[in-house]
Amino acid sequence: AQSVTQPDIHITVSEGASLELRCNYSYGATPYLFWYVQSPGQGLQLLLKYFSGDTLVQGIKGFEAEFKRSQSSFNLRKPSVHWSDAAEYFCAVGAGYGGSQGNLIFGKGTKLSVKP
Amino acid sequence: DAMVIQNPRYQVTQFGKPVTLSCSQTLNHNVMYWYQQKSSQAPKLLFHYYDKDFNNEADTPDNFQSRRPNTSFCFLDIRSPGLGDAAMYLCATSGGGQGFYEQYFGPGTRLTVT
Repeated sequence: AQSVTQPDIHITVSEGASLELRCNYSYGATPYLFWYVQSPGQGLQLLLKYFSGDTLVQGIKGFEAEFKRSQSSFNLRKPSVHWSDAAEYFCAVGAGYGGSQGNLIFGKGTKLSVKP
Repeated sequence: DAMVIQNPRYQVTQFGKPVTLSCSQTLNHNVMYWYQQKSSQAPKLLFHYYDKDFNNEADTPDNFQSRRPNTSFCFLDIRSPGLGDAAMYLCATSGGGQGFYEQYFGPGTRLTVT
């Protein structure tokens, strides 16, 4: 069965420091991978996606992620965190066929806090 | 800007009193989804429409129903809300094809059941 694991429930970084959020997936074929961000009380905003091709993908707000098939990982990175990046981050894999086609399997999320 | 709109943003209902949540989109997407998200949890897919075709997740309770009268609008009906149905309800859309999985979310409706 498809699954997504985000090992870190909560991460705190200092403003200006680099950030890496981890994501591991379990999926039999080449996955479609996504990172979403959710600010408190808001919906989810798509940060970036990987479908195929270049394994390093660039997203909005200065984020990037790297797909590593050998490690079944799709970690999210940002070189310098801003206070406005404090939010919850969800990794997701697009999976399923038939009745579940189009289903996104989400990880449990990583809450990012930013210290001034 | 093209977007996904949810109304109301906050809804309070009484235990057992039917409630309807609304979603509209200006993206002209084929697919519309409803997710339930409880506090500090990942969103959980309830069902989705591909055009007029309704797809229910196996574990979605019968208490939850949906209607899609046209491309732009989709409604979530909770026939007899229980305390356990208090959650954020998220509507999302996607364009089909490879974009099937690229979903765009509305801001959500926070449902409180008293």
